Amino acid sequence: GAVVSQHPSWVICKSGTSVKIECRSLDFQATTMFWYRQFPKQSLMLMATSNEGSKATYEQGVEKDKFLINHASLTLSTLTVTSAHPEDSSFYICSARAAGGKNIQYFGAGTRLSVL
Amino acid sequence: GQQLNQSPQSMFIQEGEDVSMNCTSSSIFNTWLWYKQDPGEGPVLLIALYKAGELTSNGRLTAQFGITRKDSFLNISASIPSDVGIYFCAGQRAAGGTSYGKLTFGQGTILTVHP
Repeated sequence: GAVVSQHPSWVICKSGTSVKIECRSLDFQATTMFWYRQFPKQSLMLMATSNEGSKATYEQGVEKDKFLINHASLTLSTLTVTSAHPEDSSFYICSARAAGGKNIQYFGAGTRLSVL
Repeated sequence: GQQLNQSPQSMFIQEGEDVSMNCTSSSIFNTWLWYKQDPGEGPVLLIALYKAGELTSNGRLTAQFGITRKDSFLNISASIPSDVGIYFCAGQRAAGGTSYGKLTFGQGTILTVHP
């Protein structure tokens, strides 16, 4: 149980294009999903908290117009990196927290974004 | 953002040796979690701790929630090559306030196990 699927696992795009990353909770409902960014050999840094049916809450320094988050259902949240630039290249990881339960976050496998 | 102080940063050990790593914080957490991350993958939950003083095992892994609620340790006994990876501690605060549900991560411990 508690499987989180993230897609795609790897994406290469041209500078100026937009990229959408999906995060799905496969066997549970997630009222809250989180989006992280991780640079090589560093820890996970929270970008935003995504609540189903409401606007995402962004961490300080994260541009909400740059990183669009949609949490349209209890099993799906999407992160769209708009007008991507090479400095946006990173490893993006989502996590999902089950409704009720012990407030545990389960992570997706991550998406490696390379912007040329 | 805030990070927990996790040590050591890296460890190089021989197969069969025991491993110990810990995390400390200047503030209190209500839940401590330990995750393992393999290269190119997301973190996988190893152990979750919910009460101060709690000692929990998961196979060869043992973790404890410090009495002060400001620290936690993870021990791995009789290490094997597949233990290789990055181990992260994470603290989580109680309900209420803007920090609810958010995880604060340690910097990670890179574990290398030589056969």
